[in-house]
Amino acid sequence: QKEVEQDPGPLSVPEGAIVSLNCTYSNSAFQYFMWYRQYSRKGPELLMYTYSSGNKEDGRFTAQVDKSSKYISLFIRDSQPSDSATYLCAMSETGGFQKLVFGTGTRLLVSP
Amino acid sequence: GAGVSQSPSNKVTEKGKDVELRCDPISGHTALYWYRQSLGQGLEFLIYFQGNSAPDKSGLPSDRFSAERTGGSVSTLTIQRTQQEDSAVYLCASSLVLAGGPEDIQYFGAGTRLSVL
Repeated sequence: QKEVEQDPGPLSVPEGAIVSLNCTYSNSAFQYFMWYRQYSRKGPELLMYTYSSGNKEDGRFTAQVDKSSKYISLFIRDSQPSDSATYLCAMSETGGFQKLVFGTGTRLLVSP
Repeated sequence: GAGVSQSPSNKVTEKGKDVELRCDPISGHTALYWYRQSLGQGLEFLIYFQGNSAPDKSGLPSDRFSAERTGGSVSTLTIQRTQQEDSAVYLCASSLVLAGGPEDIQYFGAGTRLSVL
């Protein structure tokens, strides 16, 4: 079993929909949680990061961490075609971003 | 340049050949990481360098893989006697410092797509 599980999708939604992307993990030592967005043939770019449990909001994006359930989510409001990409969750035990453990990524398609 | 630069962008090689992949990190970034991204496998950590410290090689899958970082800047990932299962996208990332804060964000290059025939 992988340390981090993520549904590969694809997830297809119409423009304007609320998108929910999720990851589960097994390592209770993970403390730092990140979401990366990766466009085709590009490197991942950091969208959001959170430390421990709780919510964090940035514009149309909200990240949630539930350490008791070992479950993290990324919500995208008012989704746009430009949001079409692969979204990867990543986690780290130690302070900082060393040795990130990534999920496989969920491919999101937002249709106009 | 403004971002992490990797070369070549694509590499096709024959099984058994050696390959070298290059990474130019963002200027001033002290930490450098290599990852491998295989279809359906996500990103797999390979190795990271931080300043003058000994690199963490714990993610290298076999002794056919090695990496070096010269002068604290450019890094080369070498794969010897390539196998078909080495086919993947090899991504390099760099970050400013390792201090447990926002400055540790890893910035990724576009990767090198390696195909072993």
